[in-house]
Amino acid sequence: EIVLTQSPATLSLSPGERATLSCGASQSVSNYLAWYQQKPGQAPRLLIYDASNRATGIPARFSGSGSGTDFTLTISSLEPEDFAVYYCQQRKAFGQGTKVEIK
Amino acid sequence: EVQLVESGGGLVQPGGSLRLSCAASGFTLSRNWMSWVRQAPGKGLEWVANIKEDGSEKYYVDSVKGRFTISRDNAKNSLYLQMNSLRAEDTAVYYCAKEGDCSSPNCYFDYWGQGTLVTVSS
Repeated sequence: EIVLTQSPATLSLSPGERATLSCGASQSVSNYLAWYQQKPGQAPRLLIYDASNRATGIPARFSGSGSGTDFTLTISSLEPEDFAVYYCQQRKAFGQGTKVEIK
Repeated sequence: EVQLVESGGGLVQPGGSLRLSCAASGFTLSRNWMSWVRQAPGKGLEWVANIKEDGSEKYYVDSVKGRFTISRDNAKNSLYLQMNSLRAEDTAVYYCAKEGDCSSPNCYFDYWGQGTLVTVSS
């Protein structure tokens, strides 16, 4: 059973700054990793699938990279609406989430 | 536009039952695996169950095996989750999620419903 570990748990940044979120898998998952954004009271939204493909309608400031066991979600310049919780997912496993909060 | 609308949540006593429904529109339900994913209050996401396009395969997280049953009616564009022997730890928002157009299940979840809250308490 694959375990996904996200870091950091909380990221405190200002609008306009770059955000780098990490997701580590307990064993190689090739490039089969997805990222989601969730805002309070809302359902998760797919951002990235297959490690680096942006989902429909996702702005270009969101990018994903990595393969094997180490993956990164980068938000190049934070917009006010990007402050949320981000989850990685591989098959039936989800990471515990990283909260991106306003500094 | 893809839409998933859950219903059927509510307050139930421990040991009780509930049936969740998910009405799908904007896509052909019979072409995709479908999942239920839950989120306990203040916690992260947990995959619960999924079902193949034609209903011939079903998978569950260990904690709900033997208590929950996933099903679908493609003709009615609907997904269901029958939950029996409910426990306090089943308290969560339950989301219906469409799986991506992939060659294998659980690849990713490209559309989600708004969720329905299930509270198990006496």
